[in-house]
Amino acid sequence: DTGVSQDPRHKITKRGQNVTFRCDPISEHNRLYWYRQTLGQGPEFLTYFQNEAQLEKSRLLSDRFSAERPKGSFSTLEIQRTEQGDSAMYLCASSRSQGAVDYEQYFGPGTRLTVT
Amino acid sequence: KNQVEQSPQSLIILEGKNCTLQCNYTVSPFSNLRWYKQDTGRGPVSLTIMTFSENTKSNGRYTATLDADTKQSSLHITASQLSDSASYICVVRGGTAGTALIFGKGTTLSVSS
Repeated sequence: DTGVSQDPRHKITKRGQNVTFRCDPISEHNRLYWYRQTLGQGPEFLTYFQNEAQLEKSRLLSDRFSAERPKGSFSTLEIQRTEQGDSAMYLCASSRSQGAVDYEQYFGPGTRLTVT
Repeated sequence: KNQVEQSPQSLIILEGKNCTLQCNYTVSPFSNLRWYKQDTGRGPVSLTIMTFSENTKSNGRYTATLDADTKQSSLHITASQLSDSASYICVVRGGTAGTALIFGKGTTLSVSS
């Protein structure tokens, strides 16, 4: 399977615990995006990387959230001291980029986080 | 404020029937408009991307229209199948920044036999 993969698919954690999600993009894609989607809503942008550089972060990304893409390939999203409001589907997407050309974003299956 | 509004919120149709989903947007500047299909518990999958100059684009039984003057788009599904049951999300890109993708809340379509 050469699509975007995410791990784990489901995560249940207790409030206050830290969690980390992983995203493996399509191999030739140099852009990687993280989104959050709550029930009945469309995805909301969190952050994106161009290769290993984190170019933009949404104001939704509080200090408890951190994302990395150390080698420009896979990325991790960590949430510290989880809160019940963090319960959501966390989606990763990847795309090519070439100047200002807007290439298609391919989404992974998501990680469903439930904070109890 | 950049917004994407979709209607109806949900829709139930019989297998074999056609349906049309609506999307109105106030995103500016406008770069392109996309329709995604999202099955329950899965990531969105792109159906079409339309730029300012495109009025109609088809992908199999899916046909999207765009009126950039009135800032409206529609997604028409022909001869619906049970597998069309999903959420359909309208997304407008308003620039080149990462935050420039504005997502609608989606229309939940249920196709019954």
